[in-house]
Amino acid sequence: SQTIHQWPATLVQPVGSPLSLECTVEGTSNPNLYWYRQAAGRGLQLLFYSVGIGQISSEVPQNLSASRPQDRQFILSSKKLLLSDSGFYLCAWSVGHAGYTFGSGTRLTVV
Amino acid sequence: SQQGEEDPQALSIQEGENATMNCSYKTSINNLQWYRQNSGRGLVHLILIRSNEREKHSGRLRVTLDTSKKSSSLLITASRAADTASYFCATDKGTSYGKLTFGQGTILTVHP
Repeated sequence: SQTIHQWPATLVQPVGSPLSLECTVEGTSNPNLYWYRQAAGRGLQLLFYSVGIGQISSEVPQNLSASRPQDRQFILSSKKLLLSDSGFYLCAWSVGHAGYTFGSGTRLTVV
Repeated sequence: SQQGEEDPQALSIQEGENATMNCSYKTSINNLQWYRQNSGRGLVHLILIRSNEREKHSGRLRVTLDTSKKSSSLLITASRAADTASYFCATDKGTSYGKLTFGQGTILTVHP
C-alpha cells in the first residue's frame, strides 16, 4: 500500500540552528513531491516541489532549501533558522492529477 | 494570491444538520479537490471533481462545480460531531507537476 512518512512530529529549535525534515514515500514510483507550510491552521503555501531525483523547484524565496536524493525521499533544510520559519510543515506526494497524499506534518517552533 | 477562497471562514452547526461550504477561484482549472484537516494533523483527500463534471457524490459528501462562475461547493449531509475539522478546496491547473493551490479553509464545528 502507499504510505508517506514524515518526521519528526514536533521540533523546537533555537534561532540560528540548522534544520532537516525528512519525508519518505512507500508504495509508488516517481511521485511528484511537495513541501507546504501552513500558518495558524489556515491555508497552505507551497514551498518546493520535485518531479524527479535532484529536480527541485522553489515557489517562494526564503531561508529554506529542499533536496531529493532518492526517488521517494524529500528533505527540507535550513542552515540557520529564523523566528519566521516557525509553522506547520507538510510533505505530500501525487502521481498524475489524482490528488495528494499528505504526511502527518511537523510542527516547528523556532525560539 | 490564493487561487481558492472558501466561504464561510467558520461554520457552526448541530449534529444532523447539513453543512455547505463554498469555494471560488480565479483561473481555469483541470480539476478541483476538497480536503479535510483535523486539528494538528495532515490533510486528507476527500473528493476530486474534474472541470468537465458538474456534480459528484461520495457517501455523505456532495460536490458541485460551476466553471462559468468559477465556484464549487461542498455539502456534508446529516453531519456528525466527528465531521468537525477544517475543510480546504484546492485547484489543479493541469501543470505537469500537479501543483495544487489551496484556499484558506472553512473551520466546521458540529455540536453533538
